[in-house]
Amino acid sequence: DVKVTQSSRYLVKRTGEKVFLECVQDMDHENMFWYRQDPGLGLRLIYFSYDVKMKEKGDIPEGYSVSREKKERFSLILESASTNQTSMYLCASSLPLGPTEAFFGQGTRLTVV
Amino acid sequence: DQQVKQNSPSLSVQEGRISILNCDYTNSMFDYFLWYKKYPAEGPTFLISISSIKDKNEDGRFTVFLNKSAKHLSLHIVPSQPGDSAVYFCAARGGSNYKLTFGKGTLLTVNP
Repeated sequence: DVKVTQSSRYLVKRTGEKVFLECVQDMDHENMFWYRQDPGLGLRLIYFSYDVKMKEKGDIPEGYSVSREKKERFSLILESASTNQTSMYLCASSLPLGPTEAFFGQGTRLTVV
Repeated sequence: DQQVKQNSPSLSVQEGRISILNCDYTNSMFDYFLWYKKYPAEGPTFLISISSIKDKNEDGRFTVFLNKSAKHLSLHIVPSQPGDSAVYFCAARGGSNYKLTFGKGTLLTVNP
C-alpha cells in the first residue's frame, strides 16, 4: 500500500518561531509537493521538487522554504511563522510525468498563535 | 489567474439520486484531469482520472466526462450515498509541467 506520511497531524506554534513540517514517501517517487488548503481557496501549491536537491517555487512560496536531501523526504520550513500561515498543509508525491496521480499525506493542521 | 475553476462551492443531493460536479479549465496545455475526494482533517484521496484523448472514463459509480472543445469536465456519481459527502477537487496537469493545478473544490452533501 502506497504511503505518504506527514510527521504531525496537529501543531501549535508561536508567531516568529521557525517551523519544520516533514514528509516521507515510500513509493520511490521523483516528484514531491507541498500544498496548503484554506476554506474557499482550494489547494494552493507552495513548492515542489522533481529530484533530490532540486526545487521550484509554486504559486505561494513567500514565507516558506523547502529541503530535499533524500529522495523519500521533503521538508517544508516556515522561516518565521505568522498567523496568516495557520492552515492545513498537505504533502504529496508522484511519478515524474505521464497520466499518473499524486498521492497525498494525511495533512498537518498548523495553528500559529 | 485561476486555471481550474469549480464554480459551485456546494451541492446537495438526495441519497440514490445522481450527483454532478462540474469543472472548467482555461489552459489548453492540460492533458490529464483528476478528481480527488477529501474528508475533513484528512488528505485528499484520488478518485478517478481521464486523459485528454478520451471523453469518458468510468469506475463503478463514478464517471468522468471530458468536453475538450468546451474545456469542461464533470464527475457523475450514481447512485449517490451519504458516505460520498465530502469536498471534491478537480485537478489538471499537462505538457512538461508535472505539477497538479487544483480548483477550489465543491462540498457535496448527500442527504439520507
